[in-house]
Amino acid sequence: EPEVTQTPSHQVTQMGQEVILRCVPISNHLYFYWYRQILGQKVEFLVSFYNNEISEKSEIFDDQFSVERPDGSNFTLKIRSTKLEDSAMYFCASSKDRGWETQYFGPGTRLLVL
Amino acid sequence: EDQVTQSPEALRLQEGESSSLNCSYTVSGLRGLFWYRQDPGKGPEFLFTLYSAGEEKEKERLKATLTKKESFLHITAPKPEDSATYLCAVQAGGSEKLVFGKGTKLTVNP
Repeated sequence: EPEVTQTPSHQVTQMGQEVILRCVPISNHLYFYWYRQILGQKVEFLVSFYNNEISEKSEIFDDQFSVERPDGSNFTLKIRSTKLEDSAMYFCASSKDRGWETQYFGPGTRLLVL
Repeated sequence: EDQVTQSPEALRLQEGESSSLNCSYTVSGLRGLFWYRQDPGKGPEFLFTLYSAGEEKEKERLKATLTKKESFLHITAPKPEDSATYLCAVQAGGSEKLVFGKGTKLTVNP
């Protein structure tokens, strides 16, 4: 069964450093998403992406964040200058069609900012 | 603002003891309600999508129902492997985002 994959599974970085989180969505899916979950809190939407453009973003997704589909399979989330409060689990998701189709989530990348 | 509230926060059951989890929502123009299962340190695993009041979906020991204000996830004769956090999420209006509740942590003791 096709799955969303994410790398790395864990990343530790120093405050102020740039990090890139990588995702490979399910192959025939067209919509891609990033969510995050701070320890003990709700899963929160960050951004959705379709046809090489951001289609929706939350207030969390400020200028420090960017997304890219650098090739036909990968989808990345870049945080330019990490802050302590960026420490969280970051989940990539994909759906076959527009957002009201089921979104399938990857296993997550645990980011720790020191 | 769309809101999703799940109750209880935690539920401890004995194996075979059936129960229900609640998800109440306040949204403008519900398009879909989703149930996911999340194991510790893992991503949400899709269980069900419900689109309209009165709809029901079943999978093994789980059954999800939807009304105009809430959804229930019924667990019949649970087993220890059903232990997980169950998340409810909604999509509403013209937005693609899922709005999640905090989840119900279910523990099933053998």
